[in-house]
Amino acid sequence: AQKITQTQPGMFVQEKEAVTLDCTYDTSDPSYGLFWYKQPSSGEMIFLIYQGSYDQQNATEGRYSLNFQKARKSANLVISASQLGDSAMYFCAMREVYNTDKLIFGTGTRLQVFP
Amino acid sequence: GAVVSQHPSRVICKSGTSVKIECRSLDFQATTMFWYRQFPKKSLMLMATSNEGSKATYEQGVEKDKFLINHASLTLSTLTVTSAHPEDSSFYICSASYGEVMNTEAFFGQGTRLTVV
Repeated sequence: AQKITQTQPGMFVQEKEAVTLDCTYDTSDPSYGLFWYKQPSSGEMIFLIYQGSYDQQNATEGRYSLNFQKARKSANLVISASQLGDSAMYFCAMREVYNTDKLIFGTGTRLQVFP
Repeated sequence: GAVVSQHPSRVICKSGTSVKIECRSLDFQATTMFWYRQFPKKSLMLMATSNEGSKATYEQGVEKDKFLINHASLTLSTLTVTSAHPEDSSFYICSASYGEVMNTEAFFGQGTRLTVV
């Protein structure tokens, strides 16, 4: 079974608008961490935001926020005020407590921001 | 943030030859490094976990004799694609983290685009 599911292969958003990228996960561990990475066409992986399973509040980092719904096992990334430079692949990833060194990635969502 | 350097960024090799890719943590000691493979427009697939001073742990379906991993020091891991074939052409990317704390982000190298002709 897929540990991390990203159901949106591609998304379009107009500049300055907000966009939500979906991510659901599957784990039986009580303790886990969720990450979002951005991968531009150059290939580098850029860390965006982290949410721990015991965190009471949704994580925020500048224009990025994470809509964490633990009961639904979802960790959607919200990008506010989209910019042209936000066009990239976005990956959701999870690390589980019994295997704290491995990051497992979803299939990714390609975001395109248009003027 | 921490820096991980991967070299080369691009390599073209002939079928049957071997290619070595280096992954270095520049400003921290990485007891564990990871090697991923990424096909075009696909996700990162974990190939193996590289542990300093011990044998690498390979994911299911990854040929250990094909993809040789050596983690000789706390700052260097290498991936050697042996007897490369066109189907080995892919984007390979390494990562490292300096702790096993849950919220420690993984730092990635720039990736290596391998083309086997």
